[in-house]
Amino acid sequence: GEDVEQSLFLSVREGDSSVINCTYTDSSSTYLYWYKQEPGAGLQLLTYIFSNMDMKQDQRLTVLLNKKDKHLSLRIADTQTGDSAIYFCAESTYNQGGKLIFGQGTELSVKP
Amino acid sequence: DAGVIQSPRHEVTEMGQEVTLRCKPISGHNSLFWYRQTMMRGLELLIYFNNNVPIDDSGMPEDRFSAKMPNASFSTLKIQPSEPRDSAVYFCASTSQGNSPLHFGNGTRLTVT
Repeated sequence: GEDVEQSLFLSVREGDSSVINCTYTDSSSTYLYWYKQEPGAGLQLLTYIFSNMDMKQDQRLTVLLNKKDKHLSLRIADTQTGDSAIYFCAESTYNQGGKLIFGQGTELSVKP
Repeated sequence: DAGVIQSPRHEVTEMGQEVTLRCKPISGHNSLFWYRQTMMRGLELLIYFNNNVPIDDSGMPEDRFSAKMPNASFSTLKIQPSEPRDSAVYFCASTSQGNSPLHFGNGTRLTVT
């Protein structure tokens, strides 16, 4: 079945870049997503990429997709303390009606 | 846009009681999803609906769990009887058809004692 894997923790200093990695197994994945979850809140969509793209940039966020290796990364430039949260990678397949399979989440800690 | 609205935000109940969680999707969205989040298992899809019809309920843990979507603007997830291991945060999400991103509510934190 489908599986999405992420490392559990990442710690960076304020102002540095953060890179959160994700691997997935479903080669028919159509879209790949990054969500952010702050304590006590729901999941907030950050960005997503279609599987025929290899890069997408949105302000401080850069998503890289290596479809051959089934590897997705999220780079946050100039990381701020407000970026501290759990980041979830998710994938969907076209014929699954929008169903998302999530990774276990990476807890990003930003130290001043 | 009010977003996906879930109620209650917190629910504390005793083992054996019935629990009903509620969700109002974003207007115009025709797919609705119920997820459960725990430390041990992460985010699990319980069930999802397209156009008010349940499509995949393979994630529903057991017969104690049931979900309904009587119309396009309301869904419920019911647990009867509840057990301590049902304690989790339950999220509802909605999207328009196809591969549009899911929009999540703020969740219901359920504690069963």
